[in-house]
Amino acid sequence: DQQVKQNSPSLSVQEGRISILNCDYTNSMFDYFLWYKKYPAEGPTFLISISSIKDKNEDGRFTVFLNKSAKHLSLHIVPSQPGDSAVYFCAARTYSGGGADGLTFGKGTHLIIQP
Amino acid sequence: GAVVSQHPSRVICKSGTSVKIECRSLDFQATTMFWYRQFPKQSLMLMATSNEGSKATYEQGVEKDKFLINHASLTLSTLTVTSAHPEDSSFYICSADTEGETQYFGPGTRLLVL
Repeated sequence: DQQVKQNSPSLSVQEGRISILNCDYTNSMFDYFLWYKKYPAEGPTFLISISSIKDKNEDGRFTVFLNKSAKHLSLHIVPSQPGDSAVYFCAARTYSGGGADGLTFGKGTHLIIQP
Repeated sequence: GAVVSQHPSRVICKSGTSVKIECRSLDFQATTMFWYRQFPKQSLMLMATSNEGSKATYEQGVEKDKFLINHASLTLSTLTVTSAHPEDSSFYICSADTEGETQYFGPGTRLLVL
């Protein structure tokens, strides 16, 4: 049972436009959400995160929106640049009180920025 | 951001041998480190949680006797794949937790068992 779902395996966007990557989750115990960017044969690079008590977090060109009632979050990248082409993973975490838990990842969305 | 290193980046070994992978947090102390595995075109799957000075916690379906984890210090965790077989070939990635917030990942280790 997949608790974090990224339903779009790939997304193609023109350079300069907005990229919107979506993520849905089923576990209401998740309290922290993260987005990572990953290239093949490399580890994920942290982009931006959001706590479950917030609905928006912004960092430069990256904004993450969280809709708790819909169990949905999205990552907006604007403007999109060629260097943004990569696989983007949505991840979620529970906090057990005894320490941080490992992350549950979605399957990723391959973002392709067209020149 | 915080820097996490892994060594080796790539290893090829014969079936039946053991392989050790090191994960280090370079500029911060990590009470908790995590080990993940990624098969081709799949997502990252959590294997185990490693806490400094205590036994690792393994996810369901991960054999603790096959994947030995040692978290000897606040900056070093090791994963040893014992008696490796071809089905253990995968991309192994560690991460280190910064005070219960963001996890920073190492560059990964590609393991190929012949």
